[in-house]
Amino acid sequence: EPEVTQTPSHQVTQMGQEVILRCVPISNHLYFYWYRQILGQKVEFLVSFYNNEISEKSEIFDDQFSVERPDGSNFTLKIRSTKLEDSAMYFCASRDGTGLYEQYFGPGTRLTVT
Amino acid sequence: AQTVTQSQPEMSVQEAETVTLSCTYDTSESDYYLFWYKQPPSRQMILVIRQEAYKQQNATENRFSVNFQKAAKSFSLKISDSQLGDAAMYFCAYSIGYALNFGKGTSLLVTP
Repeated sequence: EPEVTQTPSHQVTQMGQEVILRCVPISNHLYFYWYRQILGQKVEFLVSFYNNEISEKSEIFDDQFSVERPDGSNFTLKIRSTKLEDSAMYFCASRDGTGLYEQYFGPGTRLTVT
Repeated sequence: AQTVTQSQPEMSVQEAETVTLSCTYDTSESDYYLFWYKQPPSRQMILVIRQEAYKQQNATENRFSVNFQKAAKSFSLKISDSQLGDAAMYFCAYSIGYALNFGKGTSLLVTP
């Protein structure tokens, strides 16, 4: 069964460093998302991406964040200058172009900023 | 702004019994989609069940079913014949087509 994959599973970085989180969505999916979950809290929407551009973003997704689909398979989230409060689980999700609107999540990348 | 409320931070059920997790939401939209996701200790988000708001019939997936009350903006999840593997956080989510808006979750404990 096709699945969303994410790398790395765990990333440790120092405050102020840039990080890139990578995702490979399900191959025939057209809509891509990033969410984050701070430990013990709910899952929060960051950004959605369709047709090579951002279609919606939350207040969390400020100028420190960017997304890219550099080729036909990868979808990346970049945090330019990490802060301690960026420590969280980051989930990538994707869905197809039908009207079912089901989003399939990857296993997540745990980001720890020290 | 759309909000999703899960009023039960924790629930407990005995194996083989039935449990209902509650969810209410607030929206002015008429077309939307509702979901329940399960998050086991691995923290993977697993889709359990979905409901389209325009459908009156309640969705079912094996032991999982929903009670969708559109007028009351209520979307509860019923788990029948509970199994130890059902122990997890359960998140209710709402979408009008782009972002999923999640509730804070209900932690379900299943006891033998």
